[in-house]
Amino acid sequence: GAGVSQSPSNKVTEKGKDVELRCDPISGHTALYWYRQSLGQGLEFLIYFQGNSAPDKSGLPSDRFSAERTGGSVSTLTIQRTQQEDSAVYLCASSLLAGPSSYEQYFGPGTRLTVT
Amino acid sequence: SQQGEEDPQALSIQEGENATMNCSYKTSINNLQWYRQNSGRGLVHLILIRSNEREKHSGRLRVTLDTSKKSSSLLITASRAADTASYFCATDGSYKLTFGKGTLLTVNP
Repeated sequence: GAGVSQSPSNKVTEKGKDVELRCDPISGHTALYWYRQSLGQGLEFLIYFQGNSAPDKSGLPSDRFSAERTGGSVSTLTIQRTQQEDSAVYLCASSLLAGPSSYEQYFGPGTRLTVT
Repeated sequence: SQQGEEDPQALSIQEGENATMNCSYKTSINNLQWYRQNSGRGLVHLILIRSNEREKHSGRLRVTLDTSKKSSSLLITASRAADTASYFCATDGSYKLTFGKGTLLTVNP
């Protein structure tokens, strides 16, 4: 079946511009996650959606970052007034179930964001 | 903050040899997972071991978990050039995964 898809695969933007990154999770997966991976670093948790519950935004690095998930499926991560330190690979993942009996997360191919 | 810490940071071996990577973590977990990443893009789930399990096998992969020492190891047997990748452990205390910085494994043909 189809995996997690992300678009665009690469995005180059000028400092100060806004960008939108899209994630299509696996159909039926109720949990959706956004992570960020900077060069040579591990993955940094950004935000988590589970069903209709309020999202966990505790990982968002600043108020320039926001995300929404429409209809419990597609998610958009928006970065306003981009800065050079926002350059990273943004990864989306989904899982069938979250909580104490969580299942493995399935990752998309990522969006490589470069802020010039 | 990162909880999982992989060791070593980089490992280079010859094809056919075994590769062992270790992971240490700090707080209690529900499960621990290992992922592989090729070329800095999407991660692929390899194996999940629950906190009440001590060892798990999947093909050429063997994972151990010692909750008393808060550590895990990933063994890849009979390595292949295609196993060249970064390997991350991820701990799950509730729902979100906390990843370490990974081990870069290079398998030379």
